[in-house]
Amino acid sequence: DVKVTQSSRYLVKRTGEKVFLECVQDMDHENMFWYRQDPGLGLRLIYFSYDVKMKEKGDIPEGYSVSREKKERFSLILESASTNQTSMYLCASSLGTGARETQYFGPGTRLLVL
Amino acid sequence: GQSLEQPSEVTAVEGAIVQINCTYQTSGFYGLSWYQHHDGGAPTFLSYNALDGLEETGRFSSFLSRSDSYGYLLLQELQMKDSASYFCAVRSSGTYKYIFGTGTRLKVLA
Repeated sequence: DVKVTQSSRYLVKRTGEKVFLECVQDMDHENMFWYRQDPGLGLRLIYFSYDVKMKEKGDIPEGYSVSREKKERFSLILESASTNQTSMYLCASSLGTGARETQYFGPGTRLLVL
Repeated sequence: GQSLEQPSEVTAVEGAIVQINCTYQTSGFYGLSWYQHHDGGAPTFLSYNALDGLEETGRFSSFLSRSDSYGYLLLQELQMKDSASYFCAVRSSGTYKYIFGTGTRLKVLA
């Protein structure tokens, strides 16, 4: 079974702090994704990566950056956390580029910015 | 822009059948997927429709009509454990990018 793990289940940070969210997958997947989930808005794509050191902006990249130095690890960085970044953050991975690509998700990190 | 709309909440009783709709305004996608998300857990894949029509997987079925820009997830013989959020999703053709629906919270009552 594919396993996607996220470094923290819950985080509380203060406005202006730099925040790192880590995601690791163990099945040699090419693609990794970061989403945020907010009530009524569903899952919105922040950034994704289709290869090591490659990244592309999703729908809401402002205020975020990412890093993928190794294939199995994809990090989301909040350079200066703000209260409007309080949300559930979900990491996902998928194998390759086939039409029928299943996304495998981690359990999520619930971030509260005070 | 591209969007997938779902009802925000659906309530049904154990043993019943419920349909969760997904209407979309997007073009050029590979197929329609459905994911289940229990609070505190990881979203998990349920079903995929590449072509128009019905796909059945046990108690769950999913339907797609590209001409109507519409799909649905059908859950039969509802169980309490089916209480969760359900998301439809598409992957835009030629990209790695996925678009998820707004999500439907299903409450199953005893």
